[in-house]
Amino acid sequence: VQLVESGGDSIQPGKSLRLSCATSGFTFDDYAMHWVRQRPGKGLEWVSLISWNGAYIDYADSVKGRFTIWKDTAKSALFLQMSRLRPDDTAVYFCAKGCKLGGSGGSCFSSWGQGTLVTVSS
Amino acid sequence: QSVLTQPPSASGTPGQSVSFSCSGGSSNIGSNTVNWYQQRPGAAPALLIYNNDQRPSGVPDRFSGSKSGTSASLAISGLQSEDEGDYYCAAWDDTLSGPHVIFGGGTKLTVL
Repeated sequence: VQLVESGGDSIQPGKSLRLSCATSGFTFDDYAMHWVRQRPGKGLEWVSLISWNGAYIDYADSVKGRFTIWKDTAKSALFLQMSRLRPDDTAVYFCAKGCKLGGSGGSCFSSWGQGTLVTVSS
Repeated sequence: QSVLTQPPSASGTPGQSVSFSCSGGSSNIGSNTVNWYQQRPGAAPALLIYNNDQRPSGVPDRFSGSKSGTSASLAISGLQSEDEGDYYCAAWDDTLSGPHVIFGGGTKLTVL
């Protein structure tokens, strides 16, 4: 299993950014996928999830209305569109694979990418 | 402030045993399973324990998890220097605003 994030950048407040997560080594359609972030020197914070079939999507309250998650099953890729970015969105963003076959949620993440850094600053 | 409470730090010497607690409530640990993650310095997190007490393949049996009521624990026996890092508990939380994933604040383990 491989997860490789990209798209992180240094960006001004109020702007938008799209993160990508390329996956391989497993049947992408069969598992829920998540985004988890880690602010500098801080702990882990769950951001968003999309169920195996895309029917269930959820966001942390801190990003609801600003971030959008989706996936491209043909490319086995996960995306996160981030809008109206704020300085407190500065973090390393990890994509993570859910543990359960056919899962819609849960807090079990069996594989993680190495993360991509987003810096929001004027 | 995390909904799941973990002690910020712990330490031990090689060969010793240590344990970490993760305290929650009825909407999270009390009604859902707990998972534990290890994050070594400079690395991505990795699943250490799932479904309260199950070890993924490749995780040594020195690591064990348990859950009782609204609290969970992670224990490490035969401490090794490579165990140094941050440890996070996680659970699904059934809140009024909708279910979410929540993490504990993490426990930083130092191997002296």
